[in-house]
Formats: sequence, C-alpha cells, structure tokens
Amino acid sequence: EDQVTQSPEALRLQEGESSSLNCSYTVSGLRGLFWYRQDPGKGPEFLFTLYSAGEEKEKERLKATLTKKESFLHITAPKPEDSATYLCAVQANTPLVFGKGTRLSVIA
Amino acid sequence: SQTIHQWPATLVQPVGSPLSLECTVEGTSNPNLYWYRQAAGRGLQLLFYSVGIGQISSEVPQNLSASRPQDRQFILSSKKLLLSDSGFYLCAWSEAPGARNQPQHFGDGTRLSIL
Repeated sequence: EDQVTQSPEALRLQEGESSSLNCSYTVSGLRGLFWYRQDPGKGPEFLFTLYSAGEEKEKERLKATLTKKESFLHITAPKPEDSATYLCAVQANTPLVFGKGTRLSVIA
Repeated sequence: SQTIHQWPATLVQPVGSPLSLECTVEGTSNPNLYWYRQAAGRGLQLLFYSVGIGQISSEVPQNLSASRPQDRQFILSSKKLLLSDSGFYLCAWSEAPGARNQPQHFGDGTRLSIL
C-alpha cells in the first residue's frame, strides 16, 4: 500500500529563518510527487511536480528536491506570507495519496 | 487559462436531508475529475474520480455518490446525509495522464456541516 508521511506536523519559524519540510514515501513505481500549499479554508494550490530522483524545482523562496525515498521542501528566508499548510502527494498506478501536511507558521 | 468552480462555499444541512454539490471546470476539455473529503487532522481522502462522461470510480464505500452529466461538470450527491458526512469537500481536475502524470488543481471547497 502506498504511504506518505510528512514531518514535522507543525513548524514555527522566525522571519528569515530557513528550514526544510520532509515527505517520506513508500510506493511501487513512482510516477510523480506533488507539493501543494493550502491556506485555511481554501483548496490546495499546486506548487511543484517531481518525477525522478535527483530532480529539483524552484519557485521564489521554495525549492523542492527528490530522492528515491523522500522529498524535501526547502524554504529560504521565509516571510509571514509563507505561513500555510504544505501537502505532499505521490502517484503510482493508483490515484494520488496525500500526506497529512506540515503546518508552517512564520513569525515577523 | 483553466478555472474550477465549486459551490456552495458553506452548507449546513440536517441529518437525513439530501445533498448536491456541484463542480465545473472551464478552459479545458475531457479533464479527469475528482472529489475529495478533508477531515480535520487527516489527509485528503479520495472519494470518486472520473475519466469521462458517465464514468465514475468509487474509492471508498460510503453514503455518497457522484455523477458526471457533462464533460466539465461533476456532482457529488447523497439521498440521506449522516452526521459522519460532515467535512470539507474538494473538487479537483487534471489533464488526462500522458507519458507523465499531471498535477491536480483544486477548487476552494465546500464546508459541509450536518446538524
């Protein structure tokens, strides 16, 4: 059974304090790993897709990386507007399997 | 560009009443469509997905059903709501997978409360 585990569950950072969120997965035949951002009361907003180990994607202060067993979402010099829940999802031969997310709070 | 619309944004219903949530997508043809439920402290749970008109796959046994009467319209229904049906319901679409799986794009959800 495909599984996704995200850590930590919650992370509190000072503005400018860089950190990383982890997404560990077990899946047979990965066909895509997806990162989303979700604000309270809203639907998830697509950020990145990674398809193979070694791949990296960047967008503003966010950088996603992928290995054969996990993905990291690196946040460089975060700002309060980066506060949100970040979701990871994997897809093999079944529909997407989501992790429970990391709730990020960035304090000014 | 593609957009997805979900309504209503919030809904309060009594136990035993019927339900109809609607989702429409604009700017694309023959999308894959999905219904998810998100409970507090839990991940998104896939309820139904559809790869074409009239084609519905159910992921979990439940009190709900889905229909796709038109290419870009997806409806979530129930004949009699249960307390356990409360939650945040999300509709999503994606391009049909080709060589690589495409990301899903979500609407803003419906917050359903059952009293």
